[in-house]
Amino acid sequence: AQTVTQSQPEMSVQEAETVTLSCTYDTSESDYYLFWYKQPPSRQMILVIRQEAYKQQNATENRFSVNFQKAAKSFSLKISDSQLGDAAMYFCAYLGDTNAGKSTFGDGTTLTVKP
Amino acid sequence: NAGVTQTPKFRILKIGQSMTLQCTQDMNHNYMYWYRQDPGMGLKLIYYSVGAGITDKGEVPNGYNVSRSTTEDFPLRLELAAPSQTSVYFCASSYRTSGPLEQYFGPGTRLTVT
Repeated sequence: AQTVTQSQPEMSVQEAETVTLSCTYDTSESDYYLFWYKQPPSRQMILVIRQEAYKQQNATENRFSVNFQKAAKSFSLKISDSQLGDAAMYFCAYLGDTNAGKSTFGDGTTLTVKP
Repeated sequence: NAGVTQTPKFRILKIGQSMTLQCTQDMNHNYMYWYRQDPGMGLKLIYYSVGAGITDKGEVPNGYNVSRSTTEDFPLRLELAAPSQTSVYFCASSYRTSGPLEQYFGPGTRLTVT
């Protein structure tokens, strides 16, 4: 079974600074998809960024980028120019290509942004 | 499009009662999912469906049942509610073609069993 580990239960960053959230995973599949979701206090799950394992290029969405290291099974999220609205819980998620129904989420990292 | 809708938003059950959490999506997605999220934790997959008439167990299926008679609807049934089922329940959907796209989530149902 796949596992997703987020080793940082809590992180904090100063407004306008950069922060990196860590995620490691374990899988025997060669093709899969990785996601970062944001969950603000409203509880709504919001997709932040997506990475296909077959793509070597790291995904980027505006101030959000990932460092995808397939051999190391690592998928970290970098948030640049942090804003107060970035404060939320962030979840790393895995979806295999052979069975896209069985998704696995990490336990989350709570990000605090200090003004 | 309304996206993924869930009803009810909140519910309090007594131990041993049963209920159905409703989930509907209007995006013609083939995949649908049910998760539970305990306080301070990540999402655990309860059941999922790859299309109408096809369902399968996730990580934590015990105490729950699902059905998928239409593309749009994916209700989750709790039989004999127990305090351990107190949680927030999320329904999600996605459309898979050549590769799974991201999941779209409903707003969640907060369930308390006392």
